[in-house]
Amino acid sequence: QLQLQESGPGLVKPSETLSLTCTVSGGPITSSNNYWGWIRQPPGEGLEWIGSIYYVGSTYYNPSLKSRVTISVHTSKNQFSLRLNSVSAADTAVYFCARLSSGVAGTFDYWGRGTLVAVSS
Amino acid sequence: QSVLTQPPSVSGAPGQRVTISCAGNSSNIGAYYDVHWYQQLPGTAPKLLIYGNTIRPSGVPDRFSGSKSGASASLAITGLQAEDEGDYYCQSYDSSLSGSVFGGGTKLTVL
Repeated sequence: QLQLQESGPGLVKPSETLSLTCTVSGGPITSSNNYWGWIRQPPGEGLEWIGSIYYVGSTYYNPSLKSRVTISVHTSKNQFSLRLNSVSAADTAVYFCARLSSGVAGTFDYWGRGTLVAVSS
Repeated sequence: QSVLTQPPSVSGAPGQRVTISCAGNSSNIGAYYDVHWYQQLPGTAPKLLIYGNTIRPSGVPDRFSGSKSGASASLAITGLQAEDEGDYYCQSYDSSLSGSVFGGGTKLTVL
């Protein structure tokens, strides 16, 4: 059974960089036709797609966040990561990592439990 | 403002049937991209409920069904149960944004 687990600091200062890692277990991150994505959910709000990556490094970002986001894949560790720079209070959210199945236009079929990141001084 | 439009809330009594709509446009649902539905119970991660417009993953009860017509999609829940109470999201792909898009979510209340 595929499992995903987010990890990283729960508190980030304004203007600094948010960094999270998603560790995938139960299957290879290099499986064909599967992408890997980050989604976030501000407190009391809906889901927002941040971006997705294929294991060879192809990336797709939400245009509203593109200038601040970098998603990377680390195949030897079966991990992928998120960096969001110049954060503000508006970036406070639960961050989920998920598998995007059946291509870039597919469905998020496996999710991590999510990790709350607060932006505050 | 979400790219996909859902009603903020729906409600129904136990045993009843409710539907949740998801309206898109010619860049997403209307461009023949699949619609997927997720259930998010309080304090938990979203769970895949329907994929490929109409397909239920293993373990999802057949009380849940999906449909798609033109640039819109719907999720139907029959035989409402108290445990169905939570938030429901639709998701698709948008060619103009070159990425995944979610609806704003619908809160289901079982009366």
